Amino acid sequence: SQQGEEDPQALSIQEGENATMNCSYKTSINNLQWYRQNSGRGLVHLILIRSNEREKHSGRLRVTLDTSKKSSSLLITASRAADTASYFCAPMNSGYSTLTFGKGTMLLVSP
Amino acid sequence: DAGVIQSPRHEVTEMGQEVTLRCKPISGHDYLFWYRQTMMRGLELLIYFNNNVPIDDSGMPEDRFSAKMPNASFSTLKIQPSEPRDSAVYFCASNFRAQTNTGELFFGEGSRLTVL
Repeated sequence: SQQGEEDPQALSIQEGENATMNCSYKTSINNLQWYRQNSGRGLVHLILIRSNEREKHSGRLRVTLDTSKKSSSLLITASRAADTASYFCAPMNSGYSTLTFGKGTMLLVSP
Repeated sequence: DAGVIQSPRHEVTEMGQEVTLRCKPISGHDYLFWYRQTMMRGLELLIYFNNNVPIDDSGMPEDRFSAKMPNASFSTLKIQPSEPRDSAVYFCASNFRAQTNTGELFFGEGSRLTVL
């Protein structure tokens, strides 16, 4: 398995603004997943993008994947205070493998 | 389904004591993972099981750590003897391997361990 590296480590924005988080990885992937962790809770799967996809939407979430640059981004539009959480990316190698997580991006959305 | 269930949610113990953390995976899931999360090291994979068999325990930090999965609905992570540096949040996660499986993990709420 390989670990994704999230950037920035921390992000502070106002409600209604958009939040963009980035993820870089090192080797080819089968898919890349994004997870959210609220304070004191377990990780929750948000969205998955496959290696043959370039963009995917789910509600206010938009994920992009650039396999040539080995990077992905997660955009949260019109952020809300409830979006305050840590966000992790998890690249999955070809074939079944375990998921390894980085230290995440800590997002703070202020009212 | 109730999701992945972990117990206890919080445990405070003294150095040298034995600690047992428990996990009930989602019914039908055949993979179970134990992770540890600390501020310094982030989320680390300790061990995972497939069909109750340990597949990779290379992340288990020391012989003081052991994990078992006696059946498909129960797993334990034991630390004996515990040390202050074991203080962390321990997560259990599960999923199932199927032809179209994407590897999405379902996490429990974690067990926060404090070793004094």
